[in-house]
Amino acid sequence: QSVLTQPPSVSGAPGQRVTISCTGSSSNIGAGYDVHWFQQLPGTAPKVLIYGNSNRPSGVPDRFSGSKSGTSASLAITGLQAEDEADYYCQSYDSSLSGYVFGTGTEVTVL
Amino acid sequence: EVQLVESGGGLVQPGRSLRLSCAASGFSFDDYAMHWVRQAPGKRLEWVSSISWNSGSVGYVDSVKGRFTISRDNAKNSLYLEMNNLRAEDTALYYCAGAYGSGSDNWFDPWGQGTLVIVSS
Repeated sequence: QSVLTQPPSVSGAPGQRVTISCTGSSSNIGAGYDVHWFQQLPGTAPKVLIYGNSNRPSGVPDRFSGSKSGTSASLAITGLQAEDEADYYCQSYDSSLSGYVFGTGTEVTVL
Repeated sequence: EVQLVESGGGLVQPGRSLRLSCAASGFSFDDYAMHWVRQAPGKRLEWVSSISWNSGSVGYVDSVKGRFTISRDNAKNSLYLEMNNLRAEDTALYYCAGAYGSGSDNWFDPWGQGTLVIVSS
């Protein structure tokens, strides 16, 4: 099962900037498919945070930003806040699997 | 209000079957493709299956092919997942989600609250 690889955890102090990487391959991110990011607060369903590599849905603070290059993508959180403690997942489409793939997930901790 | 509500989960023995349902409201259900996504306890999200707006196209993750069947009834604004020959590794919280955006670049939005499936003897 092809997956997108993320760091298991990242942490930062309030106000700091953290980034989460999402590494794929030539059959998903590298093939040009969009990357989307989801935030999953403890005990709740995921919520879309970034769609189409770098677009924020209405209501998502501009502290969250996304980018994509080559076979990887990144999510940046600036001005880290306590309420940002959650699991974050990237997601894309994989042509070799003919299906959708999620990242391995990253737990963000605010120190 | 846009809402997806899953039901049908429960405790089931290995090898048995279960049918999940997802009731949609607050949006034009028949305009959107739909997904099932699952999350085993403490694990990552895993895409399970998708169906196009008119049921003309379906897809499955390899681990459920031949065992799970996705379907929808646009007249009832409902999505279904028929799960047969269940295995312990199918134990998870199953979410239904809409497919927003176009083609393979669609993203999962909105999400239901999930229904828990436990496969155990």
